[in-house]
Amino acid sequence: EAQVTQNPRYLITVTGKKLTVTCSQNMNHEYMSWYRQDPGLGLRQIYYSMNVEVTDKGDVPEGYKVSRKEKRNFPLILESPSPNQTSLYFCASSDSWGSQETQYFGPGTRLLVL
Amino acid sequence: QKEVEQNSGPLSVPEGAIASLNCTYSDRGSQSFFWYRQYSGKSPELIMFIYSNGDKEDGRFTAQLNKASQYVSLLIRDSQPSDSATYLCAVNPNSGNTPLVFGKGTRLSVIA
Repeated sequence: EAQVTQNPRYLITVTGKKLTVTCSQNMNHEYMSWYRQDPGLGLRQIYYSMNVEVTDKGDVPEGYKVSRKEKRNFPLILESPSPNQTSLYFCASSDSWGSQETQYFGPGTRLLVL
Repeated sequence: QKEVEQNSGPLSVPEGAIASLNCTYSDRGSQSFFWYRQYSGKSPELIMFIYSNGDKEDGRFTAQLNKASQYVSLLIRDSQPSDSATYLCAVNPNSGNTPLVFGKGTRLSVIA
């Protein structure tokens, strides 16, 4: 089954404790991205990657890191989480940059930073 | 800053009625436009896309685009309670490496 998986789905952590949210897709997609979704602010892009070893900042990259060492994986790293990073996070992928409208979204990761 | 504006709602319509969801965008050069549906607690899923001025129909859904007015809409005919969700408008500015820009979404409630 074609899918984007994220882990963990739910996470409660404390300020400053490094964490990684994994994202993996099994569709051999080139384009992957991370979004956060907050009430009243909508869906905002954090980082995106057009291919292996190619990443770029989205609208709200501060406080986040990503890496794209393999095509299928695109982890999101919070080196020192803060309460304002409490949010719902989505990973997404699409066949290519040019087809980003047909992005497949993962199920989401709900993060609470205390 | 490229912007996509949507009325947050909630938009309430009775079952069987036509629901009309609207979206405006700021970048006049935008070329492609998308509607995603997001059920509460779930991830967005693409339901319609439109590239050319005019109407595009897919089942009960019709997307309408007016580039001169920088306006795109989604009509849902014969609305069902299962259509109750948040609808996100997204625009591809098509300028270099700029990613999709999403609106904040309109919450639709279809009352049985």
